Amino acid sequence: KQEVTQIPAALSVPEGENLVLNCSFTDSAIYNLQWFRQDPGKGLTSLLLIQSSQREQTSGRLNASLDKSSGRSTLYIAASQPGDSATYLCAVLLNTDKLIFGTGTRLQVFP
Amino acid sequence: GAVVSQHPSWVICKSGTSVKIECRSLDFQATTMFWYRQFPKQSLMLMATSNEGSKATYEQGVEKDKFLINHASLTLSTLTVTSAHPEDSSFYICSARSGTGGADEQYFGPGTRLTVT
Repeated sequence: KQEVTQIPAALSVPEGENLVLNCSFTDSAIYNLQWFRQDPGKGLTSLLLIQSSQREQTSGRLNASLDKSSGRSTLYIAASQPGDSATYLCAVLLNTDKLIFGTGTRLQVFP
Repeated sequence: GAVVSQHPSWVICKSGTSVKIECRSLDFQATTMFWYRQFPKQSLMLMATSNEGSKATYEQGVEKDKFLINHASLTLSTLTVTSAHPEDSSFYICSARSGTGGADEQYFGPGTRLTVT
């Protein structure tokens, strides 16, 4: 059974810091891995999607890497801003067509 | 593009009543739609997968007679919570996928907050 774990569960940092959020999964047989942002009481915003054949994806201040063999992905946020405060979820897409979500990291960036 | 809407965004109902939640793909045809449930401060859990014109596939532990899913068109799926109870209170999120391949991206709706009193 695929399990997706995110570390840390919560993070509070001052504005301007560079951050690394971690995601690990137990079964490397995945189609892709996706990072999402969720604001309180809201739906999901897709940030980055990495196909299983890729190593990383970048969008603005965000960079996500994928090491499928070791079952790990990291989301790097450069120069964090208060507007980055949210819960970040990683999810892996299985070959059974299911998207399995991680436990989430609640991020707070204070001015 | 790739916008998914949900209606209503929040609903309060009394125990024992039924509630219908709609999920629509606004600018694409969704061959597959997914329904997730999220309890407070927890992650999303897949409830069921529905393909247009066929019966939904439910995840283990999800009662298909309680959570009725209908995917009657390529742009609309509905989730009906029948005989709702307070433990059904949760945040329900749908997603939609246009392609038939597993690697095609899912697009998520904004969610529906259900409170059963």
